[in-house]
Amino acid sequence: DVKVTQSSRYLVKRTGEKVFLECVQDMDHENMFWYRQDPGLGLRLIYFSYDVKMKEKGDIPEGYSVSREKKERFSLILESASTNQTSMYLCASSLYTDHNQPQHFGDGTRLSIL
Amino acid sequence: QKEVEQNSGPLSVPEGAIASLNCTYSDRVSQSFFWYRQYSGKSPELIMSIYSNGDKEDGRFTAQLNKASQYVSLLIRDSQPSDSATYLCAVRPGATNKLIFGTGTLLAVQP
Repeated sequence: DVKVTQSSRYLVKRTGEKVFLECVQDMDHENMFWYRQDPGLGLRLIYFSYDVKMKEKGDIPEGYSVSREKKERFSLILESASTNQTSMYLCASSLYTDHNQPQHFGDGTRLSIL
Repeated sequence: QKEVEQNSGPLSVPEGAIASLNCTYSDRVSQSFFWYRQYSGKSPELIMSIYSNGDKEDGRFTAQLNKASQYVSLLIRDSQPSDSATYLCAVRPGATNKLIFGTGTLLAVQP
């Protein structure tokens, strides 16, 4: 089974802090994704990566950055956290070579910015 | 027009009935289609995938795809209260690694 692990289930931070969300997958997947999910807005793609050190902006990259130094790990960084970044953050991974493969999700991190 | 559209619901069905969940998409070259189930406070989990026109069955679940009408559906037979969740439709448009998600349909199965 694919295992996608997010470092924290719940996180509380303060406005202006630099926040790191970590995601690790154990299936040697090339693709990794970061989403946020808000009521009524669904899943929105923040950033994705299809290889080590490669990244592409998703639909809502503003205020976020990412890092992929190793194939199994994809980090999301909130450079200066703001209250409007309070949300559920979901990491996912998938195989690059087979477009018919689904994305597999981690358990999510519920982030609150005070 | 949204790229992937779902009725937000709630869709309420009695226990034992068939639940029918629908999804339309706008990109004609979409190739892969997925249904995810998401319980409240949890992450999405894959329940079905479909790539060709027609029906695909897996236990109590049947996915139906009609590319000409740009329509994909999920049928749940013998609905159980444990099926109560939000169902997300996801579409892969063209030769891309990204998925486009609908906002989900909330299903409530009444005992």
